[in-house]
Amino acid sequence: QVQLVESGGGVVPPGRSLRLSCAASGFTFNTYALHWVRQAPDKGLEWVAAISYDGSSKYYADSVKGRFTISRDYSMNTLYLQMDSLRAEDTAVYFCARDRLTSLASWSFSYWGQGTLVTVAS
Amino acid sequence: DIQMTQSPSSLSAPVGDRITITCRASQSISSYLNWYQQKPGKAPKLLIYAASSLQSGVPSRFSGSGSGTGFTLTISSLEPDDFATYYCQQYNSIPLTFGGGTKVEIK
Repeated sequence: QVQLVESGGGVVPPGRSLRLSCAASGFTFNTYALHWVRQAPDKGLEWVAAISYDGSSKYYADSVKGRFTISRDYSMNTLYLQMDSLRAEDTAVYFCARDRLTSLASWSFSYWGQGTLVTVAS
Repeated sequence: DIQMTQSPSSLSAPVGDRITITCRASQSISSYLNWYQQKPGKAPKLLIYAASSLQSGVPSRFSGSGSGTGFTLTISSLEPDDFATYYCQQYNSIPLTFGGGTKVEIK
């Protein structure tokens, strides 16, 4: 069955960096676009970034553009989110999600991980 | 960016009721609209994609409709498992954006 397991969250001071990982299993990793979506405490959902099935295209929310980098490792079946210059407003649970369709992205998230909490505080 | 506005922000209804949640887009998004259900402490679950297509495994009491700027999610007969928060999400353009959510509570 499809599994997405995030890791790497924690408490980090403002201005520092953190890298999140999402280990994928149960599907053909190189055929699906993948996404990061976050949720601040007691708030709604915010899409953060996406990467195409072949890694050739990357997309970001304006709030993280230039600070966050999405990438994927096909040998490890793992999705990453490198987060630099972190701000208090980046505090959230970060979910990785798999696209609904293979190859071309449907921009619909059919499988989700359990999330990892990132807290940016001094 | 396309703004997504959901209404109501919360509602209270008894088991067995029919409820409708509305989602409005700040500009036309054709049928590029998804609906998700989220329970406390859990990841969201995809219910409806492309405005009206039921995701595999989702009960038929859930349905979606609309196009352009106005969309609805209907639950034909509320069950205890349906009490949760519901979000719409547009994918007409990047950045993808979600509505603010509708919390459905037991009356």
